[in-house]
Amino acid sequence: GAVVSQHPSRVICKSGTSVKIECRSLDFQATTMFWYRQFPKQSLMLMATSNEGSKATYEQGVEKDKFLINHASLTLSTLTVTSAHPEDSSFYICSAASRRQPTNYGYTFGSGTRLTVV
Amino acid sequence: AQKVTQAQTEISVVEKEDVTLDCVYETRDTTYYLFWYKQPPSGELVFLIRRNSFDEQNEISGRYSWNFQKSTSSFNFTITASQVVDSAVYFCALSDVFNYGQNFVFGPGTRLSVLP
Repeated sequence: GAVVSQHPSRVICKSGTSVKIECRSLDFQATTMFWYRQFPKQSLMLMATSNEGSKATYEQGVEKDKFLINHASLTLSTLTVTSAHPEDSSFYICSAASRRQPTNYGYTFGSGTRLTVV
Repeated sequence: AQKVTQAQTEISVVEKEDVTLDCVYETRDTTYYLFWYKQPPSGELVFLIRRNSFDEQNEISGRYSWNFQKSTSSFNFTITASQVVDSAVYFCALSDVFNYGQNFVFGPGTRLSVLP
């Protein structure tokens, strides 16, 4: 149980276009989803936290208008990188948690999306 | 503020050697979670362990063992008889217990290379 599916796993897009990444909890209801970004050879940095049905909370330095997060249901959160630029190229990974299933907390990560903007 | 330090940036060992990855954390919370993750070259995060701050017992799982020392704020990870497949980046992480996801801080990671 407690599986999180993330796709696409890899995406290459042209500069100026938008890219959507999906994160789904397959067998539990994720009351909270998290989005992380990882630059090469660096650690994971939390970008934003989203609770189902409410606006996402962004970490300092993360542009809300550039990284649109939608958490419209208990099983799906999306991250849209708008007007992507080469400096947005990174590895994006989501995580999900459920207050109803606290034992899942911490190990439900998606497999990540490697975004390359050319 | 929460902080996790992994002083070892890179470690290389020869297969079958034991290796310990260090993790030191800082938090003002009295209740917190500590985690270890493995990130192989493919990128996904593999959950290894979650430990509640109330539970200071050490844990062993196969070739893996963890030493939690609250007095020194350390949560070290040892791989016994290392194998080439253990080569990966290992992250230690710290989290608030009651505010899910908030203050979930990863350490900088330790890149382990196990040579045949």
